Amino acid sequence: NAGVTQTPKFQVLKTGQSMTLQCAQDMNHEYMSWYRQDPGMGLRLIHYSVGAGITDQGEVPNGYNVSRSTTEDFPLRLLSAAPSQTSVYFCASSHRDSNYGYTFGSGTRLTVV
Amino acid sequence: DQQVKQNSPSLSVQEGRISILNCDYTNSMFDYFLWYKKYPAEGPTFLISISSIKDKNEDGRFTVFLNKSAKHLSLHIVPSQPGDSAVYFCAASARFAGGTSYGKLTFGQGTILTVHP
Repeated sequence: NAGVTQTPKFQVLKTGQSMTLQCAQDMNHEYMSWYRQDPGMGLRLIHYSVGAGITDQGEVPNGYNVSRSTTEDFPLRLLSAAPSQTSVYFCASSHRDSNYGYTFGSGTRLTVV
Repeated sequence: DQQVKQNSPSLSVQEGRISILNCDYTNSMFDYFLWYKKYPAEGPTFLISISSIKDKNEDGRFTVFLNKSAKHLSLHIVPSQPGDSAVYFCAASARFAGGTSYGKLTFGQGTILTVHP
């Protein structure tokens, strides 16, 4: 049981480049989310999904796109990377009726130069 | 607009003593609260939760207290151990409000707990 798997673990991008952060879960969870963690800001919600084909914006969605074509996968796309998107990104998933909130992946550390 | 706030960036306690971490929220729609623990280079892990119909929930050394009128919750760790040293995040959701609300979990800024031997 792998849980929530994020790839890559580390990435360096140049300003203006695009890339996709991958997230997969094998727990058949309905809910999936993307967060970014920045010093002093805690975890801020980028986008979330409550099921395949359903996504919604969180606090800081600008510059990011998501889609949820399957229950298992929830990729996060950076359209044109900016230095302000340098951060640690966490993907998480949860069962709809869970009392335990989200299960998080181990994170992707992204640096935009 | 920070809906969930942890006003203490850090807390230092002696092993064996009590650690108290605090969290305030502003959104009265929040009805489910969670605490997560995070070690460096790892994702956050669930610690304990509480529903707004309760004012206390215990799990071993960890107890969460909820004061709805003050929109305040706290996490007590007794006794504190060096392995408890980590960043603690408070989180909240409008879980029972219907729709897709539970999919949206709002976090505080985190408190770094250091437990000295």
